[in-house]
Amino acid sequence: NAGVMQNPRHLVRRRGQEARLRCSPMKGHSHVYWYRQLPEEGLKFMVYLQKENIIDESGMPKERFSAEFPKEGPSILRIQQVVRGDSAAYFCASHVGGGSYNEQFFGPGTRLTVL
Amino acid sequence: GENVEQHPSTLSVQEGDSAVIKCTYSDSASNYFPWYKQELGKGPQLIIDIRSNVGEKKDQRIAVTLNKTAKHFSLHITETQPEDSAVYFCAPISSGSARQLTFGSGTQLTVLP
Repeated sequence: NAGVMQNPRHLVRRRGQEARLRCSPMKGHSHVYWYRQLPEEGLKFMVYLQKENIIDESGMPKERFSAEFPKEGPSILRIQQVVRGDSAAYFCASHVGGGSYNEQFFGPGTRLTVL
Repeated sequence: GENVEQHPSTLSVQEGDSAVIKCTYSDSASNYFPWYKQELGKGPQLIIDIRSNVGEKKDQRIAVTLNKTAKHFSLHITETQPEDSAVYFCAPISSGSARQLTFGSGTQLTVLP
């Protein structure tokens, strides 16, 4: 059973370009979280999605950032018109859903560098 | 929202000694308390977790203790080994609808051979 997969692992963009980060959850998992990690810091929640639904996007900047989790295919985190401050590691985590708590399994992350 | 504080920020121990990391949280409705280990260049890996109806849980050399009254939980690693060197994060779950993890600032553990 493959774990959470993310690609690309490293992404370099120039200011003003778009960045697309992809996340494939573990098999059987229908819930995905995206987190951002700045250097020397803990991960910060961005958005929580189920298949075809955004459940909570309270941690995501209102502009330039969007996320989706279509019925088929991976979850996508999209950053438009990137700026240097977007440079960070972006992690997705998946869980099976349901229950009173959720054990989240993390992918290896995408390290975005904005030049 | 949840406020999480983790101490210490760095910890160096001799191989074979024990290490203890403490995490305090603010949301009294939190009911799930995991610890994650993050190695350089990798994603966080769940190493142990505890639910609010249990005070202690142990898995070989790793244990977690929970004090819900005081709103803190601790990670205990015994007989430390060099491969235990990593950054450790506590991440109590929020009581909100998203049930997202709120990460502490991390503890850099170095096990000296």
